[in-house]
Amino acid sequence: NAGVTQTPKFQVLKTGQSMTLQCAQDMNHEYMSWYRQDPGMGLRLIHYSVGAGITDQGEVPNGYNVSRSTTEDFPLRLLSAAPSQTSVYFCASSWAYSETQYFGPGTRLLVL
Amino acid sequence: AQSVTQLDSQVPVFEEAPVELRCNYSSSVSVYLFWYVQYPNQGLQLLLKYLSGSTLVKGINGFEAEFNKSQTSFHLRKPSVHISDTAEYFCAVSRAGGATNKLIFGTGTLLAVQP
Repeated sequence: NAGVTQTPKFQVLKTGQSMTLQCAQDMNHEYMSWYRQDPGMGLRLIHYSVGAGITDQGEVPNGYNVSRSTTEDFPLRLLSAAPSQTSVYFCASSWAYSETQYFGPGTRLLVL
Repeated sequence: AQSVTQLDSQVPVFEEAPVELRCNYSSSVSVYLFWYVQYPNQGLQLLLKYLSGSTLVKGINGFEAEFNKSQTSFHLRKPSVHISDTAEYFCAVSRAGGATNKLIFGTGTLLAVQP
């Protein structure tokens, strides 16, 4: 049982490049979400999903796309990276109607 | 909508001293309250949570928190800290009983334990 895994751990991008941050969980959780962590701002919700095929926007969705084709995976796509997207990204998952979320180890992204 | 305020961005404390990290929240509906800890270069780990019932909640590593509805607070306490408690602590809130578990986080408090 690996829990919530995220790849890559670190990534450097140039402005305008695209990339996908991967998130996977092996706990059969219905609910998955993406947060970004910035100094002095805590964690802010980007997108979330309540099940395969269902996604919705969080607090800061602009510049990010998501899809949920399987229960296990919830990738986050940056179509055209900007320096403002430099951050640490965390994926989390939980069962529906459960109050406890499990967080992945994070991906550190630097956009130059 | 819910919001969380952590007024102290950094709390320095000597080893074996007591500590309190403050958290206040705002919400028009019932909420669940959480404290998470983040050790350097790691993900978030749940310390404790308040769902209902007893207002004093005990968590891992000797931490506890008290839910105070009248003051809309959920302060975290530990009677004697260790060097290993040095980390960033986040208070978070979510809507009670919702189908989704959208967490609203505070800005975090860095607990710096000095020898």
